[in-house]
Amino acid sequence: QSALTQPASVSGSPGQSITISCTGTSSDVGGYNYVSWYQQHPGKAPKLMIYDVSKWPSGVSNRFSGSKSGNTASLTISGLQAEDEADYYCTSYTSSSTLVFGGGTKLTVL
Amino acid sequence: QVQLQESGPGLAKPSETLSLTCTVSGYSISRGYYWGWIRQPPGKGLEWIGNIDHGGSTFYNPSLKSRVTMSVDTSKNQFSLKLNSVTAADTAVYYCARVAHLVRGITIFTWFDPWGQGTLVTVSS
Repeated sequence: QSALTQPASVSGSPGQSITISCTGTSSDVGGYNYVSWYQQHPGKAPKLMIYDVSKWPSGVSNRFSGSKSGNTASLTISGLQAEDEADYYCTSYTSSSTLVFGGGTKLTVL
Repeated sequence: QVQLQESGPGLAKPSETLSLTCTVSGYSISRGYYWGWIRQPPGKGLEWIGNIDHGGSTFYNPSLKSRVTMSVDTSKNQFSLKLNSVTAADTAVYYCARVAHLVRGITIFTWFDPWGQGTLVTVSS
């Protein structure tokens, strides 16, 4: 199975909004509404930020939002804050009953 | 509060078997959910290894399937990973996590939460 495609890096200034894309195929992202997003700070374990494309786990800020169109899912962070600087990963269920991650995106807050 | 903690040797020799255990606290494995392993080579992205439930039902990454064995010990509230014939490419931080799932005729995995802190395993002679 091939990794989902994410941009290597994105950046934005405090207060701005940024969007990270996650592109797969009709066998994963496009075929199911089971995309989740994870935030990972250096040296730390990943943290669930969005699940089932657009749902928030308890305790996660609503500045984070998710969506999907066709084979591409997106994570949008609004009101960018310095603490949002981290790596972000998407993952999707696949038609082979497996899970696949995206390659990860490094978010820099300018 | 559910917590997971990985444990095991931090060093494995090439061609040998890497063995790790994840101990779960605050939640009984027997109650449900699947339990998974994910790894991250230094400076690289995340890779799903596989999931197991309390009854021993397993799902593995096809690229690792021939080398992976996962098991569960409900009496100790632990699940384990064995990866054989390791090479330097298997050097990574290994994470365990709880895996949410649905059953719709087939098993559908949805998200990982929470995660353990991770443990670095280096493959070197």
